[in-house]
Amino acid sequence: GQNIDQPTEMTATEGAIVQINCTYQTSGFNGLFWYQQHAGEAPTFLSYNVLDGLEEKGRFSSFLSRSKGYSYLLLKELQMKDSASYLCAVMDSNYQLIWGAGTKLIIKP
Amino acid sequence: IAGITQAPTSQILAAGRRMTLRCTQDMRHNAMYWYRQDLGLGLRLIHYSNTAGTTGKGEVPDGYSVSRANTDDFPLTLASAVPSQTSVYFCASSDLAGAINEQFFGPGTRLTVL
Repeated sequence: GQNIDQPTEMTATEGAIVQINCTYQTSGFNGLFWYQQHAGEAPTFLSYNVLDGLEEKGRFSSFLSRSKGYSYLLLKELQMKDSASYLCAVMDSNYQLIWGAGTKLIIKP
Repeated sequence: IAGITQAPTSQILAAGRRMTLRCTQDMRHNAMYWYRQDLGLGLRLIHYSNTAGTTGKGEVPDGYSVSRANTDDFPLTLASAVPSQTSVYFCASSDLAGAINEQFFGPGTRLTVL
């Protein structure tokens, strides 16, 4: 079966760095996505990885290892507005997104 | 209109009633999707459409139907609502010809079936 695993909840301090991990087992692989979702709102696209390595976009970076079925999202210089759920999703061989349950990130002052 | 709109924003519905959730996009995306999101679970695909005139079943299609008469609109119908269909419903769209094919989401419809 297809499976995406990520931690349910994480807590971090404002100004710090946090890494949110995602492991996956899917039928085929056509890229891995990270989305941010604030409470009561729609998911919004953060990053995309299809090749191994690190993609950096401002304070956010995303890493992929296809051989290990592993990705992480790295958030630097945390701000209170980063409190949200972070969703990992893999595009399978049918070009459909398989979603993890999301990681709720709580930022404390 | 900018992006994707959904209507209604929220709805309380009696079990057994028929309900259509509306979704419209103005980005000329070929693909559209309906998801439901429940606490503790990931987004689950209900139905999708890769182009106008075609639809497909996702992970949880039972009890739902869709149509795609044109590029912009993708309504989701619950023929006879049941309490287990209480959820937040998100419509999304993407450009299948795009380099990344990321999905863009509407604001969601919060549906409660009593």
